[in-house]
Amino acid sequence: QVQLQESGPGLVKPSETLSLTCTVSGGSISGHYWSWIRQPPGKGLEWIGYIHYSGYSNYTPSLKTRVTMSVDTSKNQFSLRLSSVTAADTAVFYCARGMNLGPRIFDYWGQGTLVTVSS
Amino acid sequence: EIVMTQSPATLSVSPGERATLSCRASQTVSINLAWYQQKPGQAPRLLIYGASTRANGIPVRFSGSGSGTEFTLSISNLQSEDLAVYYCQQYNNWPPITFGQGTRLEIK
Repeated sequence: QVQLQESGPGLVKPSETLSLTCTVSGGSISGHYWSWIRQPPGKGLEWIGYIHYSGYSNYTPSLKTRVTMSVDTSKNQFSLRLSSVTAADTAVFYCARGMNLGPRIFDYWGQGTLVTVSS
Repeated sequence: EIVMTQSPATLSVSPGERATLSCRASQTVSINLAWYQQKPGQAPRLLIYGASTRANGIPVRFSGSGSGTEFTLSISNLQSEDLAVYYCQQYNNWPPITFGQGTRLEIK
């Protein structure tokens, strides 16, 4: 059974960079696309972007200038960096796997991690 | 960007009855549409993809239909554990992949 687990600081100061890692267990990171999705408290879901195990990535246009994703196949991990954060970036961040049938359909999700942006 | 609009915002249905949730796309997404269920305090769970294909382990009580711009998620024989927010998501035109704002399903 594939499992995903997000990790990283729960509190980030305004203007700094948010960094999260997703560790994949029970399966290989190879052969799939891996996404980050966020959910502000009490609100809906926003796709941030995805990265392929080869390193190819694609980001949502509204965040493109601030987002960087990377993958470490040796550790079965992928990561998110979001720069110049503000209070509007406060959210639960989920990592998710894209299906083989369709890399933009998310069949496995992490439990989510709340990141608060505050001084 | 394709905007996904879900209705109603909140739906209250009695146990054993059928719930019908709607999702409309601002332009055609063919059948490239998925539905997710998010129970309180949990991550979303994939229910339906390809507009009508149930994901692994999803009960037959859950069914999806539609194509183009109009889609429906139906839940028959409603159970108390179906209390959740349901999201539709298009993956036809991207980036960005976009979600609807969600329908909250309440059990009477």
